[in-house]
Amino acid sequence: AQRVTQPEKLLSVFKGAPVELKCNYSYSGSPELFWYVQYSRQRLQLLLRHISRESIKGFTADLNKGETSFHLKKPFAQEEDSAMYYCAPVDSGAGSYQLTFGKGTKLSVIP
Amino acid sequence: DVKVTQSSRYLVKRTGEKVFLECVQDMDHENMFWYRQDPGLGLRLIYFSYDVKMKEKGDIPEGYSVSREKKERFSLILESASTNQTSMYLCASRGQGGYNTEAFFGQGTRLTVV
Repeated sequence: AQRVTQPEKLLSVFKGAPVELKCNYSYSGSPELFWYVQYSRQRLQLLLRHISRESIKGFTADLNKGETSFHLKKPFAQEEDSAMYYCAPVDSGAGSYQLTFGKGTKLSVIP
Repeated sequence: DVKVTQSSRYLVKRTGEKVFLECVQDMDHENMFWYRQDPGLGLRLIYFSYDVKMKEKGDIPEGYSVSREKKERFSLILESASTNQTSMYLCASRGQGGYNTEAFFGQGTRLTVV
């Protein structure tokens, strides 16, 4: 069965410290991978997607196919990064419509 | 520029009532989803639809049904509301542009069943 795991429910770091939010997946084939973020009182929104190889708000995510991981990283955390983060693999197979999420990690950046 | 709109931000319903949650998107997306969001459990998929009148069960469909009569509208129905359906409900839509296509979310409906 397809599965995505975010092992940390809550992650607290000090401002300026590095951040790593973990995501492991168990999918057949090669899924496309996304990170979504929900700031307080805002709707859930896309943060970044692997295929774009982009850095958004200082965050990057590296796909490690050997470890089946897609960890989200930022070298220096900011207070405005405090939010709920969800990892979301999407099956790359033909006809795939389903979009499932991990349980999420709440990041708290301490001033 | 709001793209996915849920009809209510807050709802309070009584046990046993039939409840309708409405979601409308203006992006001409084929795929629409309903999730419930609970602390510690993340987003759990209830139902999704990949075309008008088409629907597929997600991970937790029990106690729910859906309706998609028009492409832009996807309704979630609680046939007989129960207290364990108290939750935040999120609607999302996503185009058919490929598996790397972004999903857009509504603002959420916080449903309380008393």
